[in-house]
Amino acid sequence: DAKTTQPPSMDCAEGRAANLPCNHSTISGNEYVYWYRQIHSQGPQYIIHGLKNNETNEMASLIITEDRKSSTLILPHATLRDTAVYYCIATYTGANSKLTFGKGITLSVRP
Amino acid sequence: EAGVTQFPSHSVIEKGQTVTLRCDPISGHDNLYWYRRVMGKEIKFLLHFVKESKQDESGMPNNRFLAERTGGTYSTLKVQPAELEDSGVYFCASSQGLAALTDTQYFGPGTRLTVL
Repeated sequence: DAKTTQPPSMDCAEGRAANLPCNHSTISGNEYVYWYRQIHSQGPQYIIHGLKNNETNEMASLIITEDRKSSTLILPHATLRDTAVYYCIATYTGANSKLTFGKGITLSVRP
Repeated sequence: EAGVTQFPSHSVIEKGQTVTLRCDPISGHDNLYWYRRVMGKEIKFLLHFVKESKQDESGMPNNRFLAERTGGTYSTLKVQPAELEDSGVYFCASSQGLAALTDTQYFGPGTRLTVL
């Protein structure tokens, strides 16, 4: 799996958009970009994933650059409950799809 | 639809004892994964089942760990004998398998294991 790089932490104000960056410059053509988050010590929660195109679901939007070397997870209206560690993971899907978690980025949403 | 469930949520045992963790995947999911996080470290992959077969057990730390998935449904992870360094949170995840276009893993709440 390609290595991903995320800043260690960031914060944002409640109600504002949180834009979480991720670099994956060595990603291969058939690796997907997945985002998970971990709130306190709960199990990692799936957020969104994408290959080339931008994606949106009820939780977030994922913007992938045209060269696929970086991406941004957007939480459009952050709430206090979004405070968590967010993991960006580049991975194949299929038979050998184990996830490689890094340190992630700690998002702190302030009131 | 029920998510991935794990039992127990917490376990405190003494060094040298045996502990068995259980994971029930989402119904119909062929893939089952075990991960763990030891304190201060990142979440690490342990092993991967496809139905009842071990697809990849490259992350298993040593032969004190034994994972099974008889019948391809729930899985157990046994630690025998437990050592202090086995303390941590053990997560189970499941995914649909090859039938899915992309194979997203969904995680359970974890079992927190403390070895004294």
